Amino acid sequence: QSVLTQPPSVSGAPGQRVTISCTGSNSNIGAGYDVHWYQQLPGTAPKFLIYGNSNRPSGVPDRFSGSKSGTSASLAITGLQAEDEADYYCQSFDSSLSNWVFGGGTKLTVL
Amino acid sequence: QVTLRESGPALVKPTQTLTLTCTFSGFSLSTTGMCVSWIRQPPGKALEWLALIDWDDDKYFSTSLKTRLTISKDTSKNQVVLTMTNMDPVDTATYYCARGLGTVTTQVWDYWGLGTLVTVSS
Repeated sequence: QSVLTQPPSVSGAPGQRVTISCTGSNSNIGAGYDVHWYQQLPGTAPKFLIYGNSNRPSGVPDRFSGSKSGTSASLAITGLQAEDEADYYCQSFDSSLSNWVFGGGTKLTVL
Repeated sequence: QVTLRESGPALVKPTQTLTLTCTFSGFSLSTTGMCVSWIRQPPGKALEWLALIDWDDDKYFSTSLKTRLTISKDTSKNQVVLTMTNMDPVDTATYYCARGLGTVTTQVWDYWGLGTLVTVSS
């Protein structure tokens, strides 16, 4: 059971917009700790996608955006493309555990 | 450019100790703010953070695994070594090392190795 809760799967047609939620608690996201997002394409290592809740590293398309409110965060992907089909993970810090924690991951299927 | 590469045994027996080495380039672990973490992923499951070592030789461990883990660095060789004792089949996973940036509470991993699959079986 992950400390950060994500939906197991989401799907959308090419060109559509999807969002992936990451729900935490007052010991992690709600405590003000940054949320980061990673994309893991099939059979590959995770890739740094969003940092500090809403910032994109250079090279990440602006179709990807992040936000945070209260004890939750979200990743939005607009203009879905087939190449976006991957697993997505949120990550933050938990003060109760004094550990860095990941969400359980969300599998995005592009229909 | 920044690269990281994990190395170690592909197969270990139950109760044995696992030793993994992360060899990196493109940055120095003696530079203020630099960190390296180990993160693992069992087949078909989620990522799990294991351990972190920073430029100042501070070390942090997963609460659930801290009694089994050690982490060390060799700055001259650009290497970080993770050991995990008393291996069990549930520890079968792909083990990644990753470069970390930021403070303890803003830590993010911007470069990852390709990972190494470790299978625990007799």
